[in-house]
Parts: sequence; structure tokens; C-alpha cells
Amino acid sequence: GAVVSQHPSWVICKSGTSVKIECRSLDFQATTMFWYRQFPKQSLMLMATSNEGSKATYEQGVEKDKFLINHASLTLSTLTVTSAHPEDSSFYICSARGGGRVAEAFFGQGTRLTVV
Amino acid sequence: GDSVTQMEGPVTLSEEAFLTINCTYTATGYPSLFWYVQYPGEGLQLLLKATKADDKGSNKGFEATYRKETTSFHLEKGSVQVSDSAVYFCALDSGGGADGLTFGKGTHLIIQP
Repeated sequence: GAVVSQHPSWVICKSGTSVKIECRSLDFQATTMFWYRQFPKQSLMLMATSNEGSKATYEQGVEKDKFLINHASLTLSTLTVTSAHPEDSSFYICSARGGGRVAEAFFGQGTRLTVV
Repeated sequence: GDSVTQMEGPVTLSEEAFLTINCTYTATGYPSLFWYVQYPGEGLQLLLKATKADDKGSNKGFEATYRKETTSFHLEKGSVQVSDSAVYFCALDSGGGADGLTFGKGTHLIIQP
């Protein structure tokens, strides 16, 4: 299957700083990228959906000013957690899909964020 | 809204045992249904899918049948191996691919030799 690379795989940052997570589709053009958040022993919760060249659509309850999503090209989307706090510590996973009505979504390996 | 409920683990089985992981859903319309697997240290991988009622998805010895009447998509395998140890997620897509997936909480499967 297609490959989605997410970087970094883990990061520790100080409270109040910002962290950027990258999601790249390595061998296909991702018209849509999704960002999920996973709490321990919980399901993946969709945070936002982004289409290349347009603003991301955030799910209810997700702060768009805190979680900045950029999808500037067909192979790269970034999630920036701004002014991070300990409660933002979580596992963040991106997913990318190409065109077509039921095109399969491929997942990155996830990023473990710890805010201290 | 859409939701997926799957049995919580961990589920511990001996090698060559029969596996069933239950999954039920609520959704508007006729969603597509998926099972994803996450091996330790790796991202989610699509295991199998079904896009309409009575479809059976299968891969690597795993099977699941889309049952509209019971809104279920139970995952089965006749003889599990140690290498099947992973976390399994049931998911649905009711947006025709345009929206993200709705996931269950995941079931941690442990296969003992």
C-alpha cells in the first residue's frame, strides 16, 4: 500500500512552546488529509479535515487557533500545536487519501507529544 | 451522530485458537465498514473492508461480514498466530470518503504461544 510518513514519532516540549508535526504522502498525491487524536485506551478522535489549498475543517470542540493545520501541497500537511500545555499531551495521527469516491485512507505512524 | 462499539480488551488467546472481535455501529445511511490493525510501533493498516450489506471482507485469514440487520461487522479468524498480536480497530465511513473515519476504541489482542 501507499506510504504516509509522520514526523517526529515522539516529541517532548516545554509548556508554552509550539510544536509542529509533519505528515507526508510519499508515493501518492493526497487530496485530503485528516488529523486524529488518541487518548490512552480511547478511540481515535477526528480533529480536522484538510483539503489541499483550502482551510481545514475542524470538528466541534477543537480549537482552530490552538491546532493550526496547513495543507499547502498535495504531499504535505502540518499540524502545529501552539502554546502547548500538559493537557495537550496525546498521540496524534495523520491520515491521507487520494482522489476517488472510496479511495483508501493511509495512516502515518503517529506522534507521541508530551508537554512538561 | 455516528458511533462504533467494539469489545474492549485485552483479549488473550492461545495460538491456533478461534478469534472473534465484536463490532457494532450506528450510522446514518449506508456506511462503509473497516477493520484496521496497529502493530506495536507502527501506524494503522487497513486489514479489510466492506462497502455494502452482506459483503464479506477478507485478508490474511481474517474475515468480517457487513450485517445491516444487526448493524454489526464482527472480525473472525479461524486459527490465530502469535504474529497476529496487535490492536484492532473497527471503523466506519458514512461520508463517502470525504470525511474522516469514526473509530471504535480498539481491541488489544494478545496471542500466547
